[in-house]
Amino acid sequence: DTGVSQDPRHKITKRGQNVTFRCDPISEHNRLYWYRQTLGQGPEFLTYFQNEAQLEKSRLLSDRFSAERPKGSFSTLEIQRTEQGDSAMYLCASSETSYGYTFGSGTRLTVV
Amino acid sequence: DAKTTQPPSMDCAEGRAANLPCNHSTISGNEYVYWYRQIHSQGPQYIIHGLKNNETNEMASLIITEDRKSSTLILPHATLRDTAVYYCIVSGSNYQLIWGAGTKLIIKP
Repeated sequence: DTGVSQDPRHKITKRGQNVTFRCDPISEHNRLYWYRQTLGQGPEFLTYFQNEAQLEKSRLLSDRFSAERPKGSFSTLEIQRTEQGDSAMYLCASSETSYGYTFGSGTRLTVV
Repeated sequence: DAKTTQPPSMDCAEGRAANLPCNHSTISGNEYVYWYRQIHSQGPQYIIHGLKNNETNEMASLIITEDRKSSTLILPHATLRDTAVYYCIVSGSNYQLIWGAGTKLIIKP
């Protein structure tokens, strides 16, 4: 297993367009997390899945954001009608227990 | 979750021990101390975590004071590849970690 994989690594989009990111967690990990990170700051929690169930969403996750994890495997994060303030690194992590997340390398989104 | 305070930056000479402090004076009894690091342009990497006792693994040691109000991450023999931002996080949640700005550690040759 090569760890947590995120695709694409970079995405440039025009304001108002929809974008979708994919995360493939470590196969035996049933917990999956999405975080967002802006320059010079630590990551901010967005949402958490245990298997296919989305158990928690941050208030940061406006109604333009939606995340899914069908069949408890890979996950997608969609942002509709992107805004310049959505420009950030979107990080996915997975874990088998409550401790020790494994993060992917992230998807860097630039909204122009 | 309790907040943490870390120095914004530190230097350490290559081959020496790097000691990174973290204050978490409002930590509660069920909250763990976690350390992650982030090398430029990569996702964060888990280092170590602890509750009360000192912990050691192949990457680092974690020393937690008896009152649990502060901790120190020790990298025993720092290398240039240890240059990164180090985050100390205190959390009782099983899914959400609240991150500060971390300490930028620069290892100098």
